[in-house]
Amino acid sequence: QVQLVQSGAEVKKPGASVKVSCKASGYTFTNYYLHWVRQAPGQGLEWMGIINPSGGSTNYAPKFQGRVTMTSDTSSSTVYMALSSLRSEDTAIYYCAKLAAGSDFDLWGRGTLVTVSS
Amino acid sequence: EIVMTQSPATLSVSPGERVTLSCRASQSVSINLAWYQQKPGQAPRLLIYGASTRATGIPARFSGSGSGTEFTLTINSLQSEDLAVYYCQQYNDWPYTFGQGTKLEIK
Repeated sequence: QVQLVQSGAEVKKPGASVKVSCKASGYTFTNYYLHWVRQAPGQGLEWMGIINPSGGSTNYAPKFQGRVTMTSDTSSSTVYMALSSLRSEDTAIYYCAKLAAGSDFDLWGRGTLVTVSS
Repeated sequence: EIVMTQSPATLSVSPGERVTLSCRASQSVSINLAWYQQKPGQAPRLLIYGASTRATGIPARFSGSGSGTEFTLTINSLQSEDLAVYYCQQYNDWPYTFGQGTKLEIK
């Protein structure tokens, strides 16, 4: 079964860091780039960045540059997204996704809720 | 960064209506544009890619058009299950960007 399975919800204090995982299965992990997209409560979708699971090259949205780190572990077919210096505005559902980007293959995880609260 | 602007923000509709949603890019994205549908509590679902190609399993009542900076998603004969938020997304250049969404609600 083709799927992306994300780690569970997190509650963090302002200033802390969070690391969310996303495990791919049912397809060849290294064949497709994976993206991270977040959605604050009641808000729209916000693209954070992209990682090539084969080799680990990344491209981050300018807004997150310096605070986000995306990594890949080919041995476990898992990508990770770490966000540091958390603030209340980072409270959101974080999705990993294989975005279609010109193809018919579009796949999303269920999302991971990260709550930042003192 | 390419800014995607959708209009209207909210659209009140009735079942059976023909609905047109607009998306404008701040610079040309060619046809590198996708449309997504999102229902409450769910991840987005791909409807259209390449500006006009329906994704697998998407009903024919959904159609996309446009190129460059102006795009349209049309839903013919709206069904109740189509009530959702719709997002356009450009993948012509990094950072990929989404529009702010158009919410379809019952009139």
